[in-house]
Amino acid sequence: GDSVTQMEGPVTLSEEAFLTINCTYTATGYPSLFWYVQYPGEGLQLLLKATKADDKGSNKGFEATYRKETTSFHLEKGSVQVSDSAVYFCALSSPAQKLVFGQGTRLTINP
Amino acid sequence: GAVVSQHPSRVICKSGTSVKIECRSLDFQATTMFWYRQFPKQSLMLMATSNEGSKATYEQGVEKDKFLINHASLTLSTLTVASAHPEDSSFYICSARWVAGGNTGELFFGEGSRLTVL
Repeated sequence: GDSVTQMEGPVTLSEEAFLTINCTYTATGYPSLFWYVQYPGEGLQLLLKATKADDKGSNKGFEATYRKETTSFHLEKGSVQVSDSAVYFCALSSPAQKLVFGQGTRLTINP
Repeated sequence: GAVVSQHPSRVICKSGTSVKIECRSLDFQATTMFWYRQFPKQSLMLMATSNEGSKATYEQGVEKDKFLINHASLTLSTLTVASAHPEDSSFYICSARWVAGGNTGELFFGEGSRLTVL
């Protein structure tokens, strides 16, 4: 079945560091891909998405490119801030329109 | 974006009692809502798909007699944990699909409800 694999956390960086969180997927067909973020004490929020190969999703300085050839959707940000500390989930939409989530990566940014 | 609200946000109950969690789409109609369960430091596990006016579709391994789902209107779905036990303690999250979002699978999530069974 469809699945999503994220790099294991936790990830700890200093402010203004470069961030990469790896995400790879296995799916039939061509799913849409998402990154969701969960800030402490809050529910999930959509961070960005891409619906077809080579699409780049971007929001709040974060970017991810849909790479069909490597089945990847890595999340990147050039300069992280303390406020980016959260849990990040990579997800895909299955043919049944359900979301399949990765295990989540906890990110902590130190000032 | 669209708003989904869950209530209660936290509930503590004694073992053996039933607990109801509500999920409301505040500014849109949702024919389909989803219920997830999140264990500490783990990902979200889809429990069931709630369809307005029909029976919920449960994922494999989820007890439908334990987790009762009702989707009586286009803006409300409820999850009732029947005869809750400590192992049911978890963070339950609902989501609703905004039809205008098309077929991309974009969902809007509630804030989550933390259930603690003593």
